[in-house]
Amino acid sequence: DAGVIQSPRHEVTEMGQEVTLRCKPISGHDYLFWYRQTMMRGLELLIYFNNNVPIDDSGMPEDRFSAKMPNASFSTLKIQPSEPRDSAVYFCASSLDRAGGLKYNEQFFGPGTRLTVL
Amino acid sequence: AQSVTQLDSHVSVSEGTPVLLRCNYSSSYSPSLFWYVQHPNKGLQLLLKYTSAATLVKGINGFEAEFKKSETSFHLTKPSAHMSDAAEYFCVVSVFSGGYNKLIFGAGTRLAVHP
Repeated sequence: DAGVIQSPRHEVTEMGQEVTLRCKPISGHDYLFWYRQTMMRGLELLIYFNNNVPIDDSGMPEDRFSAKMPNASFSTLKIQPSEPRDSAVYFCASSLDRAGGLKYNEQFFGPGTRLTVL
Repeated sequence: AQSVTQLDSHVSVSEGTPVLLRCNYSSSYSPSLFWYVQHPNKGLQLLLKYTSAATLVKGINGFEAEFKKSETSFHLTKPSAHMSDAAEYFCVVSVFSGGYNKLIFGAGTRLAVHP
């Protein structure tokens, strides 16, 4: 398996532009997570999906951020309009609920998208 | 509230010497705890996890961690450091919030290994 795939790996954009980050989870996994990593705040969970349905979006910073999962093999995280403070590395991760739910199951992370907003 | 505290932001060791990365957790119930490693410009990879089966947990690449409830600790150790161990390490606790489980990450410990 190729693992979790994210694109693009690097994105540089100007303030006010729309940014779309993409993720393909590991085939067969039923959970998908979006994280943001910054020096100041560390690694933060933004939102996660179970069977394509958003479960917990309490970490989404504001209305400029939105995430979708139209099918089991694809998810997007969109920022519109983007701001310099959105500059960070965004990770996508997926997991399979074998037993006990998220409490016990490993999350597999993609390589991340490094976003720079000028 | 559940949380994790990684006691050292940076640790530096010589190759071949032991590694100790410290983590304390706060949880109101029996926690699940994880250690993840992040190499430069890479995603996170699971090293090991504790899920109440055995207090001493062995992971990949020779790492292990011991769950000590009395000390609320889950320190990561390795007997002999290798240059390839240089990376950032995250202690993670699974919490139950809003009806669902999710992971809370520590701030990370950057491990440097010198020849």
